[in-house]
Parts: sequence; structure tokens; C-alpha cells
Amino acid sequence: AQSVTQLDSHVSVSEGTPVLLRCNYSSSYSPSLFWYVQHPNKGLQLLLKYTSAATLVKGINGFEAEFKKSETSFHLTKPSAHMSDAAEYFCVVSDNDYKLSFGAGTTVTVRA
Amino acid sequence: DTAVSQTPKYLVTQMGNDKSIKCEQNLGHDTMYWYKQDSKKFLKIMFSYNNKELIINETVPNRFSPKSPDKAHLNLHINSLELGDSAVYFCASSQGSFTFGSGTRLTVV
Repeated sequence: AQSVTQLDSHVSVSEGTPVLLRCNYSSSYSPSLFWYVQHPNKGLQLLLKYTSAATLVKGINGFEAEFKKSETSFHLTKPSAHMSDAAEYFCVVSDNDYKLSFGAGTTVTVRA
Repeated sequence: DTAVSQTPKYLVTQMGNDKSIKCEQNLGHDTMYWYKQDSKKFLKIMFSYNNKELIINETVPNRFSPKSPDKAHLNLHINSLELGDSAVYFCASSQGSFTFGSGTRLTVV
């Protein structure tokens, strides 16, 4: 069985400061891991994905995530937050090609 | 060209009605899905089809009936709509990578 826990339901940062969104996963197999972003009243956009290649994954808009098998974690980071980063972020795990399991989401607010 | 397109974008209807949401993908993917996002933004899979065959049905009430006329289309028909069906429904397709539509916001009044 696969599942995801996003450790923070809400993260608030100042513009220009680093962002850290924490995610722990549970999976029976070697999982694929994803981060998706959802801006208000919009669809889901893929930020990045891990599929057993390099453990440090670079995504769009300056985001990156590190896969740590020993900690079963896949935390998302960005060195400098921008106002446009305010959105809902979902950590997602997949054991196979047919099913994604979503975390509960982390709401990011960016203060000017 | 939109990769995964859903129609309509918004749907407001009365309890007891029957409605359909359409989804089309032009990515040539073999697998399509319907996900439901509730008011707390939690996303949960409802159905998955691979090459027009149902492979996942996550204990969704049988008022919900997906239909896949071909592998590029996966439509969702809902009978006897209830207040609790109000949500945002996302269609998606995959072939290694998942691509989501922009969602259909269903409001049952």
C-alpha cells in the first residue's frame, strides 16, 4: 500500500526567503514520487518527479526535491520564494503506473 | 493545444438531476483517470481506465458511471446527484507521467 504524509498543512514565508515543504511517504515498492502545484481555482501542474534516477530532482520555477530512502522523505525546497509561489502543493506517490496517492496538501502563503 | 481537456469547467445543478462531464486527451496516453477533490482540497482517485478497460474503481457509488468510447476519451456520468457530490473533478491521463485537466467544479444545490 502507498501513502503520503505532508507534515505541514500551512507554510508562510517572506518573499525572497527559502521555502521548505516536508513530505514523508510509505510504499511497498520502489516508488515514483511527484510534487504538484495548484494555484487558486486552477488545475494541477507537475513541478517535478523522482523515478529512481538522481536523488536530487530539479523542477520548474526553481524548485527541487531530494529523495532520501533511509528517511522515506521527499522534501520540496526553493531558495528564494516569489509572490507567485503562493499556492497549494501536493506530494504524490505512485507504486505503479495506474494509481497516484495524494498527500493532504500544504498551503503556501508568501508575505511581501 | 490543450493536452487534457474537460468540459464543462463549471456545472451547477439541482439535487436528483443526471449530469455528464467529458474528458479528452490528445497525448496518445493509454491510461485515463477521474479524481475527486473535496472542499478540503483532498484528492482521491475514483476510476482508472487502461485502453478502454476499467482497472481501478475505488468504491465509488454506482451512481457514478465512467464511459470510455476510445482510449482518448473518458467521460463521467452521474445519476441522481446529491449535495455531497459537490466537488472539483479532475480528469488525467498517463503513460509514465501524469497530466491533469483543469478541473470541473460541480455544485449541487
